[in-house]
Amino acid sequence: SQQGEEDPQALSIQEGENATMNCSYKTSINNLQWYRQNSGRGLVHLILIRSNEREKHSGRLRVTLDTSKKSSSLLITASRAADTASYFCAQTSGSRLTFGEGTQLTVNP
Amino acid sequence: AAGVIQSPRHLIKEKRETATLKCYPIPRHDTVYWYQQGPGQDPQFLISFYEKMQSDKGSIPDRFSAQQFSDYHSELNMSSLELGDSALYFCASRRQGRSYEQYFGPGTRLTVT
Repeated sequence: SQQGEEDPQALSIQEGENATMNCSYKTSINNLQWYRQNSGRGLVHLILIRSNEREKHSGRLRVTLDTSKKSSSLLITASRAADTASYFCAQTSGSRLTFGEGTQLTVNP
Repeated sequence: AAGVIQSPRHLIKEKRETATLKCYPIPRHDTVYWYQQGPGQDPQFLISFYEKMQSDKGSIPDRFSAQQFSDYHSELNMSSLELGDSALYFCASRRQGRSYEQYFGPGTRLTVT
C-alpha cells in the first residue's frame, strides 16, 4: 500500500511495557482510524481521530495526529499478552478505507 | 449485538472455477464494503454499495462482480479464478451519517489450487 505506512512493521515487547506504532500518509485526510486484527481474523475498530484533533485517548490507547507531517501514532500503555495482534492505520478516502501495511505487535508474557 | 456475517468461512476452488462469497451486514447498516487481504498484506478495497447501488470501486479485477440485494446482503462473484486470488475476503458494513467506523466480518478464506 502506498499510503498509511506503519513503522515499525514488527514490534516485540514484554508485558507491562508500552508499545508505539507510527503511521504516515500522503494525502490530506478527514480522519484517521486505527484497526486491530488478530491473526487471520476480522478487523476491529479501535479509535478514530479527526483531522482537527491532535490527540485522543480511549482506555489504554492514545492516538496522536500531526497533519503537518502527515503522521499518526498509536500508543498502547501497560501492554498485555492479549494485545498481540496486527495494528493498521486507515485513512478515509470518500468512505472507503485505505490501509497501511500494518505493524505486528507481539507482547511476551 | 449482531455482527457482520460472512459465508462461507473457508472455500477451496481450483483454477478457472467460480466462487461466490456472501455478506450479511449489521441490521440498519446501509453501506457494504468488500476488501481483499493477501498473505502478509494490508487489506485492499475492492468495491462498495450504498442503498443497493455501487458507490465506489477500487482495485477489483474485471473477473469479479458484486451486488447488493433488496435485503442489503451482498455477494461477491469471482470467475476464472487464479492462484493469485487466494486471500482473505472481508466484508464490512456501516450506517452512513452515523460514524466513519466500519464493522468487519470474520472474512472468507479463499484458497485457489
